Amino acid sequence: AQKITQTQPGMFVQEKEAVTLDCTYDTSDPSYGLFWYKQPSSGEMIFLIYQGSYDQQNATEGRYSLNFQKARKSANLVISASQLGDSAMYFCAMREGFQGAQKLVFGQGTRLTINP
Amino acid sequence: DSGVTQTPKHLITATGQRVTLRCSPRSGDLSVYWYQQSLDQGLQFLIQYYNGEERAKGNILERFSAQQFPDLHSELNLSSLELGDSALYFCASSVGGRGAGETQYFGPGTRLLVL
Repeated sequence: AQKITQTQPGMFVQEKEAVTLDCTYDTSDPSYGLFWYKQPSSGEMIFLIYQGSYDQQNATEGRYSLNFQKARKSANLVISASQLGDSAMYFCAMREGFQGAQKLVFGQGTRLTINP
Repeated sequence: DSGVTQTPKHLITATGQRVTLRCSPRSGDLSVYWYQQSLDQGLQFLIQYYNGEERAKGNILERFSAQQFPDLHSELNLSSLELGDSALYFCASSVGGRGAGETQYFGPGTRLLVL
């Protein structure tokens, strides 16, 4: 079963606009963490933001914020005032619980292109 | 710069060969993870080590093996290579032992091409 779903294979946005990248997840574990990573064309994976399942407030990191809707099992990434350097692949990932495999499960990614 | 280093950055080899990928975690991190990124499979977890011991296995082939040394660096060994093993291999590290909220920081990856 797909645990992380990113339904937007590609998105095109004008520079300086805000953009929302969608992510839904599936888990029965009450304790989990949700992560967003950015992968530019150079290939490295850059950690952007984290949201814990017990966090009461949405996470924010600079221009990145996470719209966490627990009941809907969604964790959308919002990038405000987009810049040309934001063009990249974006991956949503989940890590479950305290026991067992501490692995990240990734979605298929969304390719974001910022147009000047 | 995440603080995680991986060598080599690129590797070109032939089918049937064996290669070793090396990873040094961030200072202070005890957990090391290996992931494979390919076009058809996406990003997949291979294996995790914590303080020298194997903690979890994912979709790792029997031809692949890994270890974490006392200085906490890790090596991923890929043998009897096939064309389908061509991929970007990431190492990630985290502090270790803090559960679901622990952030994994990724190295720059090793791009393997099997010809």
